[in-house]
Amino acid sequence: AQSVSQHNHHVILSEAASLELGCNYSYGGTVNLFWYVQYPGQHLQLLLKYFSGDPLVKGIKGFEAEFIKSKFSFNLRKPSVQWSDTAEYFCAVNALRADKLIFGTGTRLQVFP
Amino acid sequence: EAGVTQFPSHSVIEKGQTVTLRCDPISGHDNLYWYRRVMGKEIKFLLHFVKESKQDESGMPNNRFLAERTGGTYSTLKVQPAELEDSGVYFCASSQPPTSNQETQYFGPGTRLLVL
Repeated sequence: AQSVSQHNHHVILSEAASLELGCNYSYGGTVNLFWYVQYPGQHLQLLLKYFSGDPLVKGIKGFEAEFIKSKFSFNLRKPSVQWSDTAEYFCAVNALRADKLIFGTGTRLQVFP
Repeated sequence: EAGVTQFPSHSVIEKGQTVTLRCDPISGHDNLYWYRRVMGKEIKFLLHFVKESKQDESGMPNNRFLAERTGGTYSTLKVQPAELEDSGVYFCASSQPPTSNQETQYFGPGTRLLVL
C-alpha cells in the first residue's frame, strides 16, 4: 500500500532561517507529488506539484521541492523563511490518473520574528 | 472563479445524532473527493465521485457514512448515527478531468465535526 512519511512533526525557526521538510513515499510505480499548505484559519492550498520533467520544482512564495526518485523523496525547501510561513505543510502523492491523494501526517511550522 | 465551498464550517452534535455535510465543487469539475482528518493524524481519503458516480469508495469507514452527488454537482456526506470517533475535519476537493496524468485537486475549507 502507498504511504507517505513526513519526518518532522513540528519545526520551530526564526525568521531568515533556512527550511527543509522531509517527505518520503512508499510506492514502486510512477507517482505525482504535491505539497499543500494550510495557513491558520485557511483552507488547504497547493504549494507546488511534480508530475514529470525537471525534478526541481518551484512553487509559490519562494518554496521549492526536489524529487529524488532513487530515494523516494520529495523534500520541501525555502532558503529564508518569514513569519508569514507559519502554517501546516502536507506532502501528498497519487499514483493514478484522477486518483485519491495519500497524505503524510503534516508538519507544523512556527516561525518567530 | 469561486473555489470549493463546504457547509457548515463547524458542527457539534451528540452521539447518535445525524449530521449532513455539503460540498460545492468548483464549477465544471467532474471529480469530487471527500477526505477526513482525525485529530493528530493524516488526512485520509474517503471517496471519489466522477460526476454522479462513485468511482472509489474504499476509504469509507463503515455503513454509517453515506455520500451522494445528485446530478453531478454538489455532494453531501451524511453520518448516521454519529459516533465519537467520527470527530474530525472533513475536507472536500474537486478537480477537472485531466487531459493527461496531471490532475490537481483543489480543497475546500473543511467542516469541523465534533461528536460529544
